[in-house]
Amino acid sequence: DAKTTQPPSMDCAEGRAANLPCNHSTISGNEYVYWYRQIHSQGPQYIIHGLKNNETNEMASLIITEDRKSSTLILPHATLRDTAVYYCIVMEYGNKLVFGAGTILRVKS
Amino acid sequence: GAVVSQHPSRVICKSGTSVKIECRSLDFQATTMFWYRQFPKQSLMLMATSNEGSKATYEQGVEKDKFLINHASLTLSTLTVTSAHPEDSSFYICSVAGLMNTEAFFGQGTRLTVV
Repeated sequence: DAKTTQPPSMDCAEGRAANLPCNHSTISGNEYVYWYRQIHSQGPQYIIHGLKNNETNEMASLIITEDRKSSTLILPHATLRDTAVYYCIVMEYGNKLVFGAGTILRVKS
Repeated sequence: GAVVSQHPSRVICKSGTSVKIECRSLDFQATTMFWYRQFPKQSLMLMATSNEGSKATYEQGVEKDKFLINHASLTLSTLTVTSAHPEDSSFYICSVAGLMNTEAFFGQGTRLTVV
């Protein structure tokens, strides 16, 4: 069973920031928070991951609450090509990824 | 990130035949690969973990005699769907664990249609 809870869908205006929430209240100390996305009919794409500190890369930022029970993925300037299903997954290094239902993000012009 | 190539991207086969799907890690040696299946409008379901040089580990409910996995080299894992039936029609995706096992990289997927 997936250990995370995400809203089923969200809309975002093109050019605005997309903030995707994820709850993982049962996360353990060794588990990282991962984000992947899947554009229609393609394999998933790695976005970012973190343990407890906030992380940023060229694609997105990951904000993890101090108690680690929730996190937010931020796409700073969403484009139409960011329309996808976004998966939040908690996992220890070396373990297998188990996907939940994810959030369908629709970026609209 | 790692480059993972899956082949073919699409295949149509007749009921009762077998289909082989290849997953290649192009830029590093992968000791562990994963196979997933995805039905329309559903999430990815992990089928099995493929370990180089040893038998694959199958998830509960996945028939190992129907979905044959071979990971004979550090750059290639294959999934063979044996005696395929229409209900096996799905999107099959492989992934490769990164060098430090910190993230996974996915192939582009194979759309299997059994007629």
